[in-house]
Amino acid sequence: DIQMTQSPSSLSAFVGDRVTLTCRASQSIANYVNWYQLKPGTAPKLLIYAASTLQSGVPSTFSGSRSGTEYTLTITSLQPEDFATYYCQQTYSAPFTFGGGTKVEIK
Amino acid sequence: QVHLVQSGAEVKKPGASVKVSCKASGYSFTSHYLHWVRQAPGRGLEWMGIVSPSDGSTLFAQMFRGRVTMTRDTSTTTVHMELSSLTSEDTAVYFCARVVGAIPYYDVWGQGTLVTVSS
Repeated sequence: DIQMTQSPSSLSAFVGDRVTLTCRASQSIANYVNWYQLKPGTAPKLLIYAASTLQSGVPSTFSGSRSGTEYTLTITSLQPEDFATYYCQQTYSAPFTFGGGTKVEIK
Repeated sequence: QVHLVQSGAEVKKPGASVKVSCKASGYSFTSHYLHWVRQAPGRGLEWMGIVSPSDGSTLFAQMFRGRVTMTRDTSTTTVHMELSSLTSEDTAVYFCARVVGAIPYYDVWGQGTLVTVSS
């Protein structure tokens, strides 16, 4: 199975900060990585697919990139509504594993 | 508009089974795979498996094999996920999600179904 190691597991930041979340895949998976935002009591929301494509309707403050087996989600200016938990997922091969999540909290 | 609407919350005793439904609307039901994902309290997202609405084929995560069944009903555009031999570790919110894209991703999710396993 492909492991997705997500870091950090949590972070505290101010509104307006730039934050970077990372997922490292245990093997090469091309660009088969997606990022989701999860808030309590709601379904996950797609932010980025295929490593770097912004989902329609998602603010341009979100971006995704890849370097080798490392995938990054960047939020350039944190907004109050961005405080949530973020997950990466690989869909290169089953089981389609998720990272452990990064909880972004208000400092 | 594409919608996935799931069945309501369930409370089950250990050892019992639960069946969660996911009704699709607003698109061609047989054109997209549906996946099931769960989130236990205080834990992350966990991928469970895939069902093909077209031919009913399935693929499950190893940890659920032998204990999970995923079926589809094309007449009602509904997929079902049944999990048996429940333990407290199965207490979670269960989601269905539609797959799209050459590089697969979930564009639409069900609202989630809370399954509580308690004696």
